[in-house]
This record gives sequence, C-alpha cells and structure tokens, in this order.
Amino acid sequence: SAVISQKPSRDICQRGTSLTIQCQVDSQVTMMFWYRQQPGQSLTLIATANQGSEATYESGFVIDKFPISRPNLTFSTLTVSNMSPEDSSIYLCSVEFLETQYFGPGTRLLVL
Amino acid sequence: GENVEQHPSTLSVQEGDSAVIKCTYSDSASNYFPWYKQELGKRPQLIIDIRSNVGEKKDQRIAVTLNKTAKHFSLHITETQPEDSAVYFCAARGRNAGNMLTFGGGTRLMVKP
Repeated sequence: SAVISQKPSRDICQRGTSLTIQCQVDSQVTMMFWYRQQPGQSLTLIATANQGSEATYESGFVIDKFPISRPNLTFSTLTVSNMSPEDSSIYLCSVEFLETQYFGPGTRLLVL
Repeated sequence: GENVEQHPSTLSVQEGDSAVIKCTYSDSASNYFPWYKQELGKRPQLIIDIRSNVGEKKDQRIAVTLNKTAKHFSLHITETQPEDSAVYFCAARGRNAGNMLTFGGGTRLMVKP
C-alpha cells in the first residue's frame, strides 16, 4: 500500500486568510486527488492534481479558491484561499497506487 | 457522470448479527467498486473491492456482491462485532471517469454489544 502523510493535521484560521496543506506519499504515483469531507458527510472530490500541468477541478470548485501544486510524483499542496467559515471541513489527500485508492489522514480546518 | 446511491444511511444491529449495505450506480461503464470503512476521526480505509469481471468476493467476515445488470453492489458483514461500528462508504469508478471514484453518501453502522 501507499503511505500518505499530510501537514498540518489540524488548524484554526481567521476568515480572509489562506492555508496551504501538504501531502506526501512514499511512492511515486501518477494520480493524486484532493477531497473535502464536511462533518457527517461523504467525500467530495475537489480536484485531480496533475504532475506537470494544471489541476483538473470538479464542478463547484475553482482554481482561484483552491490552487493546487504538483511539483513531482510524490508531493502535492492544496491551498484554501480567502477562507470563510463555510470552508471549515476535513481536507483529504488521496492517491491511486497499483489500481487502489488510498487516503491520507486528513487536515481538519476550522475557520473563525 | 456517475451517481452512486447508498442505503441505508444508518444501520443498527446486535453483535453477532449480519449487516448488509447496498449501493446502486448509474454508469454502466463503471468497472471498479471499492468499499471503505471510516472510524471516527480517522481516514477512510479500503476494506474490500470488486471488479466488474466477478460477481462476488469474500474476505473472512466481509463479502461484496455485484450485479452488473441491475447496477447494484452490496457489502455483507457477518458475525458483526462492536469494532465493526463505523461509517462505510461505497464507491464506483467508470472507465471514462479519469480514474476518479464517485462515493455513496455513507452508512453509519452501529453494532450493539
């Protein structure tokens, strides 16, 4: 399996600020994804992080709000920009490794 | 795009009983169906998956069945234990979906001792 770490594990932020979440995987992977999980809800795909090109965003998510970097095959960042309380959620990094999708431990974000 | 419906949203069983969670999907091209277990405050963990070329797969107390004609698949947990209590998510991935999984809404399973 792939071992995924995320930083930070949790944060409390003021509205209007931005937070960058880092995701590191212990194997080179082609596919990396970012999900949001609101309390008691299912997993919603934000975007697919493509190495060497722009991320592919799902309906309802835009690059200005959630810029993503993917500098290599083991690392990605997601920034939550100009935060509002509605952005309070858990953000999960995910990778596909050997045709199986694994999840990172998540970043729990609270915006005040 | 793919749409996955999951039922029930909550399920309470007595320890030792069986639990069944059902999902339907909309895209007939979907060919991969994983199930994830998420304990409180933890990440989703893959517990079993099935591909469209088989109808059933079993791993100890857990089994998954797939009916491609009806476009539904189910998770069966036998001899449930309190540690099976968690939220379970089904998912489906279509051939043309760019390797993306579409998740069901989740089932909160409570196993009462």
